[in-house]
Amino acid sequence: AQSVTQPDIHITVSEGASLELRCNYSYGATPYLFWYVQSPGQGLQLLLKYFSGDTLVQGIKGFEAEFKRSQSSFNLRKPSVHWSDAAEYFCAVGAGYSTLTFGKGTMLLVSP
Amino acid sequence: NAGVTQTPKFQVLKTGQSMTLQCAQDMNHEYMSWYRQDPGMGLRLIHYSVGAGITDQGEVPNGYNVSRSTTEDFPLRLLSAAPSQTSVYFCASSYTGPGGPGELFFGEGSRLTVL
Repeated sequence: AQSVTQPDIHITVSEGASLELRCNYSYGATPYLFWYVQSPGQGLQLLLKYFSGDTLVQGIKGFEAEFKRSQSSFNLRKPSVHWSDAAEYFCAVGAGYSTLTFGKGTMLLVSP
Repeated sequence: NAGVTQTPKFQVLKTGQSMTLQCAQDMNHEYMSWYRQDPGMGLRLIHYSVGAGITDQGEVPNGYNVSRSTTEDFPLRLLSAAPSQTSVYFCASSYTGPGGPGELFFGEGSRLTVL
């Protein structure tokens, strides 16, 4: 069965500092990998996705993620965090689109 | 530009009552699904559908029913509400594109409290 681990429940980053959110997955075949962001009281918005090809994926809002098959990881990065990036971030894995398995989320706090 | 529309946004039920959460999408997506979100648990798949007339169970289907009579609508029914079903429910839809699976488009959520 597929699974996703986001080791960090909360992360606090200073505004302007770099960010890396960790995601490890377990899946038997080549996975489809996603990062979603959820602002308070809102639904989830897709940041980026990986299906195949270049292992460094660019997304919206200046985010990127790197797929490392040897480490079963798909970490999300941003070079300079803005206060508006404060939200909860979810990594997800799946073979299909209706049956994604989500991690438990990482809450990002941005300090001034 | 509606996307995925869920109703109601908030609902309070008493234990044993039944209700239906409505979900409609206007993007002609084949795939629709229901997730529940609980603190510290992420999103868990309840039921999903790969097209009209086809549904299947997800990770946490007990206590919920679904049907898919049209491409647009995918209602979630709680047969006899229990406090353990207090949660935020998200409906999502998606498609298949030439490059592979498309993204999930989420509704804004329905917050359900069962007393």
